[in-house]
Amino acid sequence: DAGVIQSPRHEVTEMGQEVTLRCKPISGHDYLFWYRQTMMRGLELLIYFNNNVPIDDSGMPEDRFSAKMPNASFSTLKIQPSEPRDSAVYFCASSLVPRLAGDDGELFFGEGSRLTVL
Amino acid sequence: AQSVTQLGSHVSVSEGALVLLRCNYSSSVPPYLFWYVQYPNQGLQLLLKYTSAATLVKGINGFEAEFKKSETSFHLTKPSAHMSDAAEYFCAVSDPGGVQGGSEKLVFGKGTKLTVNP
Repeated sequence: DAGVIQSPRHEVTEMGQEVTLRCKPISGHDYLFWYRQTMMRGLELLIYFNNNVPIDDSGMPEDRFSAKMPNASFSTLKIQPSEPRDSAVYFCASSLVPRLAGDDGELFFGEGSRLTVL
Repeated sequence: AQSVTQLGSHVSVSEGALVLLRCNYSSSVPPYLFWYVQYPNQGLQLLLKYTSAATLVKGINGFEAEFKKSETSFHLTKPSAHMSDAAEYFCAVSDPGGVQGGSEKLVFGKGTKLTVNP
């Protein structure tokens, strides 16, 4: 059974360029999360979706960041324009149920997209 | 707001020695607590979780953690370290501020990198 699939695994771009990160959640999972991991701030939740609808985007750093989920099997995180401080590993995760503390509750992470903005 | 503090960003042990990774939490309500492991260049994987059913929680790969309310701690232990345990370990607490009762959002600690020496 395929896990959460992210692309690209690595992206190097120049400041000012648009970056699009992609995620395919596990089939049947209704919850999709975008996290960012940096040395300074650790893992931060950026936004999450339920049934393709954004539920909480309070972690999105600024207007340069946007996320969409056009259907149940695909989500994008876009940064436009990108800046060097956006360099990080971006993780997508999905879960079957909302209650992660429940018996079925578990976040499944993709392998991440490592972004470097020069 | 819920938070976790992981004491020690790096821990080094010898193969066969006890592993002890420390996590203290801050929560205004009874917490749900999690430990995740991240192997190099991979996403995070759930090790175990505390959901109030039992204070001693057993996870995968021989790890366990004990919830101690009086100490607000949820330390992760393994009696005998193996080379394959070398990874980064994250403690997380469920944030009850989520839209659907809260536990769909996790707040992660900064992580502890475990090195196992032969």
